[in-house]
Amino acid sequence: LAKTTQPISMDSYEGQEVNITCSHNNIATNDYITWYQQFPSQGPRFIIQGYKTKVTNEVASLFIPADRKSSTLSLPRVSLSDTAVYYCLVGEAGGYNKLIFGAGTRLAVHP
Amino acid sequence: EPEVTQTPSHQVTQMGQEVILRCVPISNHLYFYWYRQILGQKVEFLVSFYNNEISEKSEIFDDQFSVERPDGSNFTLKIRSTKLEDSAMYFCASSEASRTSGSYEQYFGPGTRLTVT
Repeated sequence: LAKTTQPISMDSYEGQEVNITCSHNNIATNDYITWYQQFPSQGPRFIIQGYKTKVTNEVASLFIPADRKSSTLSLPRVSLSDTAVYYCLVGEAGGYNKLIFGAGTRLAVHP
Repeated sequence: EPEVTQTPSHQVTQMGQEVILRCVPISNHLYFYWYRQILGQKVEFLVSFYNNEISEKSEIFDDQFSVERPDGSNFTLKIRSTKLEDSAMYFCASSEASRTSGSYEQYFGPGTRLTVT
């Protein structure tokens, strides 16, 4: 499983765009990049998944450069409710695989 | 929207006692998982379960732990003789798990907070 590195914490303000970058230098050909979100005392929640280029859904965008050694989760116009821990995971596609969580990035959104 | 449910939300037990944590995965899902999160630490994989048997387990999942799918809806985690260090939030998850779908999404329940005294 590819090791990931992401900032321990970030601060932002309501209405701003937040970009969280994750490094995964050893990503394998079959690996997908997936981001989960976790609020305090809740289970992680899937946000977005991608393999290359750009993926967008109603919650976020995921930017993956051609070499796939990093990825950036972009949250447009954050609100206080986006305060959470965000995890970048890299692994083979297929929900049958275990998820290996790192420490994640603790995002604090301020008024 | 379908969701994973877990009971109880909070379980307090004494060291050495047996506990059973219960989960109802999403009905059409085929793969089931247990994870745990000790307070302030990262989420850790315990075990995955498919086709009525364990697919993979971590080093944490020793002989004190067992999983079962006793009927068509429930998925349980049993800890035979709890230790203080078993105190954690335990999350159940399930996935549709198609090898061709490319989806990595697992759906997590709200968790059971286990406190061992």
